Amino acid sequence: AQTVTQSQPEMSVQEAETVTLSCTYDTSESDYYLFWYKQPPSRQMILVIRQEAYKQQNATENRFSVNFQKAAKSFSLKISDSQLGDAAMYFCAYNWIQGAQKLVFGQGTRLTINP
Amino acid sequence: NAGVMQNPRHLVRRRGQEARLRCSPMKGHSHVYWYRQLPEEGLKFMVYLQKENIIDESGMPKERFSAEFPKEGPSILRIQQVVRGDSAAYFCASSPETGETQYFGPGTRLLVL
Repeated sequence: AQTVTQSQPEMSVQEAETVTLSCTYDTSESDYYLFWYKQPPSRQMILVIRQEAYKQQNATENRFSVNFQKAAKSFSLKISDSQLGDAAMYFCAYNWIQGAQKLVFGQGTRLTINP
Repeated sequence: NAGVMQNPRHLVRRRGQEARLRCSPMKGHSHVYWYRQLPEEGLKFMVYLQKENIIDESGMPKERFSAEFPKEGPSILRIQQVVRGDSAAYFCASSPETGETQYFGPGTRLLVL
């Protein structure tokens, strides 16, 4: 069974600095997607970034980028120039392309931004 | 383009009552997923539906829970005879095709007294 692990329950960073959130996953499949979702205090789930496993290039969305290491089954999220609005729970998630369509989520990392 | 709609946003039920949660997918999306989030936990998959079909219900509790996505109208997650342990946030997501990115609604917070 696929599993997703986020080993950092909480992280904090000073405003304008950079922070990296860790995620590892376990799968025997070769074709899959990985996602980072953000859940602010409103509790809405917001897609931050998506990575296709067959792409070697790391995905980037403005201040958000990932470090995807397929062999190591690692998928970390880097947030540059942190802003107060980045404060939220961040969830890493996995989706196997060819099979079950369910997203498998990690336990989440609570990110605090210090002004 | 309206996002995924869920209603109600908050629902309070007493033990033994029924809860009905509704989800309207994004326009053009024919795949609907339901997830449950217990306090301080990640989301857990419950069920995946396409119009008039349940594709995967491997995450649904065996009793009291059911889901449907009729040809017309929203998807419904129904919980019969609710218990306190059903208190959680229930999220619906939709995608245009299988395997595509899932976009989430705002969730329904169910509180069972």
